[in-house]
Amino acid sequence: EAGVTQFPSHSVIEKGQTVTLRCDPISGHDNLYWYRRVMGKEIKFLLHFVKESKQDESGMPNNRFLAERTGGTYSTLKVQPAELEDSGVYFCASSRAFDEQFFGPGTRLTVL
Amino acid sequence: QKEVEQDPGPLSVPEGAIVSLNCTYSNSAFQYFMWYRQYSRKGPELLMYTYSSGNKEDGRFTAQVDKSSKYISLFIRDSQPSDSATYLCAMTSGGSYIPTFGRGTSLIVHP
Repeated sequence: EAGVTQFPSHSVIEKGQTVTLRCDPISGHDNLYWYRRVMGKEIKFLLHFVKESKQDESGMPNNRFLAERTGGTYSTLKVQPAELEDSGVYFCASSRAFDEQFFGPGTRLTVL
Repeated sequence: QKEVEQDPGPLSVPEGAIVSLNCTYSNSAFQYFMWYRQYSRKGPELLMYTYSSGNKEDGRFTAQVDKSSKYISLFIRDSQPSDSATYLCAMTSGGSYIPTFGRGTSLIVHP
């Protein structure tokens, strides 16, 4: 069974540019989560999808972040415009139900 | 005060040593306690999962929870170089499935 995949693995952009991160969950997992780890800090929750619906987006930092999950399959997280403080590692996780979450390898975002 | 405190290390030990990793927390609503292992350039992987106070053993790993002290531990016996990774504690309250993570402790087991 393939695990959670994320693309790209690393992205370097200039402040003010737009970046889109993609997550492909494990097949059959209705629940998809986004997390972020800023350098030296804890992994923090951003939002949770159940199928294509946003179940909880309480962790989204501001309206420069937009998450979508087309057809309840893969998800994208767009940052527009990116700011310096958006740098960090963005993790995606998926779960079949409200149980063990399986994490992807993360996308390392660097905003210059 | 952070909800979950974890010393980032690094913790360096010789092969075969017993390793003790710890977290403290402040939210008394936490009931489910997890330890994740994260290798470099990989995502966190669930290692151990315990509910409420007590011990749980899985091979060389033992997770311990002391709710009265708001203190959790992960012990690794006979540590191996392959155990070198970052270990993150995480916990959830009964009404939530979203974990609150510690910063993670970097463990280095040298041959």
